[in-house]
Amino acid sequence: AQKVTQAQTEISVVEKEDVTLDCVYETRDTTYYLFWYKQPPSGELVFLIRRNSFDEQNEISGRYSWNFQKSTSSFNFTITASQVVDSAVYFCALQTGANNLFFGTGTRLTVIP
Amino acid sequence: NAGVTQTPKFRVLKTGQSMTLLCAQDMNHEYMYWYRQDPGMGLRLIHYSVGEGTTAKGEVPDGYNVSRLKKQNFLLGLESAAPSQTSVYFCASSYEAYNEQFFGPGTRLTVL
Repeated sequence: AQKVTQAQTEISVVEKEDVTLDCVYETRDTTYYLFWYKQPPSGELVFLIRRNSFDEQNEISGRYSWNFQKSTSSFNFTITASQVVDSAVYFCALQTGANNLFFGTGTRLTVIP
Repeated sequence: NAGVTQTPKFRVLKTGQSMTLLCAQDMNHEYMYWYRQDPGMGLRLIHYSVGEGTTAKGEVPDGYNVSRLKKQNFLLGLESAAPSQTSVYFCASSYEAYNEQFFGPGTRLTVL
């Protein structure tokens, strides 16, 4: 069975702090894709990153970085020097089949100015 | 480019009424999806389409029907609305199966 767990329901940080959002996934498939999406207060989901199961290289994009570890089935997301505009709900998702995209329940991040 | 658009943005129905949600994309994507988002449950796939004229069931298809008569449009129908279908509905599209999905702004549906 496929499953994505985002254990942190809500996180609050003060602006400029670093914050890590956890994502743990379960699958027996050897080929899969992992995604992070951001849902700001406006409601629309915005794609952040995609990673396939054969590429464990970590990625950095500006203040965002992702740590993919197959050994622990985790795909964590870190925001460095958080800003108020980072306040949103963040979803981790796992795709195992052509149309099997499983979302976690999301982590609501609030950045306090 | 408008990306993915959804009509309407809000709707209130009474139990038993029917309605159709329209999704349109202008990115020439083959794949289109309908999700529902409920509090504390993330997004769940209702139906999807891998091309014009094709549709398939997702994780939670009961009570919904879909049609993809044109490549750019994907319609979601509720034949007899129930309070359990109160949710926010998102349409999405992607170029290929494993590519990132582009989401519409959502439709907030309330069934009384």
